[in-house]
Amino acid sequence: GAGVSQSPSNKVTEKGKDVELRCDPISGHTALYWYRQRLGQGLEFLIYFQGNSAPDKSGLPSDRFSAERTGESVSTLTIQRTQQEDSAVYLCASSSEVGVSTGELFFGEGSRLTVL
Amino acid sequence: AQRVTQPEKLLSVFKGAPVELKCNYSYSGSPELFWYVQYSRQRLQLLLRHISRESIKGFTADLNKGETSFHLKKPFAQEEDSAMYYCALTGVGSNYKLTFGKGTLLTVNP
Repeated sequence: GAGVSQSPSNKVTEKGKDVELRCDPISGHTALYWYRQRLGQGLEFLIYFQGNSAPDKSGLPSDRFSAERTGESVSTLTIQRTQQEDSAVYLCASSSEVGVSTGELFFGEGSRLTVL
Repeated sequence: AQRVTQPEKLLSVFKGAPVELKCNYSYSGSPELFWYVQYSRQRLQLLLRHISRESIKGFTADLNKGETSFHLKKPFAQEEDSAMYYCALTGVGSNYKLTFGKGTLLTVNP
């Protein structure tokens, strides 16, 4: 498809396990964002990749969280030793170089993580 | 630091009534403001941006730099406007990182 694709759409895991969430941005989009949306809360910025620049990791809540992006393609968000407070919908968005400055992000449907 | 505040978590109006969703921001540089919307079971999507000065689905928003506000308005609400609305901010100084408010859930009652 032409949109941002995220997998898995749903993930249930046990406390203490590691999880990996994947995002396939729209082809050609240089910018990629990860946001977290906890139940009843707004979007919480996690990390921002823009082209070859160093990623802005200022939103990662702890060192258990990390993200990688290969060139201008797929990104993975990894959460180690998951905790119950990590339960949330993790949203990925991408944007073209023009779109970055015009604020037009294209969002995926999200990965819902439940930590038991 | 950049911050977006949406003071109302919930807003309920009747069909045909005017609606205003409030947004205030904090940003030291020259901001660019946006409204995003998420309808039930749909993806989050851009509704409008201040720089375009456009009206989308009857909604408008004016950037007031003096009051650091970017309120979203519609004169006559429709049931299909029921959705979650997020105000967002970016700017050159932030390398265009988009910061969102916590959102306002708008319910338009028949």
